[in-house]
Amino acid sequence: EVQLVQSGAEVKKPGESLKISCQGSGYKFSTYWITWVRQVPGKGLEWMGRIDPDDSYTNYSPSFQGHVTFSTDTSNSTAYVQWSSLKASDTATYYCARVGTGYNYRYGMDVWGQGTSVTV
Amino acid sequence: DIQMTQSPSSLAASVGDRVAITCRASQGISFYLAWYQQKPGRVPKLLIYLASTLQSGVPSRFSGSGSGTNFTLTISSLQPEDVATYYCQKYDSVPPLTFGGGTKVEIK
Repeated sequence: EVQLVQSGAEVKKPGESLKISCQGSGYKFSTYWITWVRQVPGKGLEWMGRIDPDDSYTNYSPSFQGHVTFSTDTSNSTAYVQWSSLKASDTATYYCARVGTGYNYRYGMDVWGQGTSVTV
Repeated sequence: DIQMTQSPSSLAASVGDRVAITCRASQGISFYLAWYQQKPGRVPKLLIYLASTLQSGVPSRFSGSGSGTNFTLTISSLQPEDVATYYCQKYDSVPPLTFGGGTKVEIK
């Protein structure tokens, strides 16, 4: 079964650092981008950016550039997003989702993680 | 950046009604438009990709149409289990891959 499993809920204080994870299984991790999506409570979906696990190439949304950092560890099929200094406005649920590369890009974000709740 | 505008932001319809949600891109995005369904308290789920292709397992009452800048998600016969918020997203080659603001669908 193809799935993305995210790390558990976090409660942090402003100014603290945080790294949350998204582990893929059931598919070849390096052949799908990992996209990160934020959802503030009661609000819509926001595309934060994406990372290509094959070469760590990243695209960040201008709204998140400089405030978050994406990374991957292909040895354990895991993607990460990290904050060096959290703000109260980072309180949200964060989802990871995969997007195929090459021909498979056409299928969109077909598999999502269960979400990680972050409270600052 | 390309903006994605959905309308309406919410709607209420009766079971069995035909429902249409529109999504407009500020610039052309060809067919690279996806629709997602998010039920209350749940993870978003891919419904349609490439503007009109139904994801495997999605009921056939859902359909998508459009290209360029104007797109539509149609539910041919609204069911109680379709209560959700629906989002469009552009996913052409140019980031950011923006979502629309969402359309909340309720039963009247």
